[in-house]
Amino acid sequence: GAVVSQHPSRVICKSGTSVKIECRSLDFQATTMFWYRQFPKKSLMLMATSNEGSKATYEQGVEKDKFLINHASLTLSTLTVTSAHPEDSSFYICSARAPGTFSTDTQYFGPGTRLTVL
Amino acid sequence: GQNIDQPTEMTATEGAIVQINCTYQTSGFNGLFWYQQHAGEAPTFLSYNVLDGLEEKGRFSSFLSRSKGYSYLLLKELQMKDSASYLCAVRERGFKTIFGAGTRLFVKA
Repeated sequence: GAVVSQHPSRVICKSGTSVKIECRSLDFQATTMFWYRQFPKKSLMLMATSNEGSKATYEQGVEKDKFLINHASLTLSTLTVTSAHPEDSSFYICSARAPGTFSTDTQYFGPGTRLTVL
Repeated sequence: GQNIDQPTEMTATEGAIVQINCTYQTSGFNGLFWYQQHAGEAPTFLSYNVLDGLEEKGRFSSFLSRSKGYSYLLLKELQMKDSASYLCAVRERGFKTIFGAGTRLFVKA
């Protein structure tokens, strides 16, 4: 099946620094990627939808200047958490949609990135 | 508005059957998914329903009633490894998917 990778899997950073998380589709081209965050014992919250070659669409309440998303190619999307603060500590998960599919599960999830801001 | 409701926690015994319910109210409907998620891991796909009725896949079955905005996931012959969170998710028009808060299932011996 389709594989999506994320890097890094875990990152610890100091407050005020920026952190970049990469999401790659390894064996297919993803026209659309989604970024979610998940707090402990909570469900996934969609942050933004990233389309290759265009600006990301952010969900209500998500600061686009704080969570920078770039989808420069059909296999790579990046999420940069700028000026990170402890409240940004979370589990960030990306998913990718393979073009040309519509039925069943067309979203393939990455393994997630655990961000801890000290 | 958007709302997906499912029980917070459930406990069942190994070998038994458990049904996890999900009700939803969304601005659009383009299919309902069930995912399994173990702690610290990404969700894994279990089932997909877009038409009313029951979809069976091995020990797992999922049911959908679009008119009632209702779905359930049925797990048979429970195993200890089935202890996990089960997420109900609705795909709205396009590919935007909204997730419920998840049901944590505890399987006891």
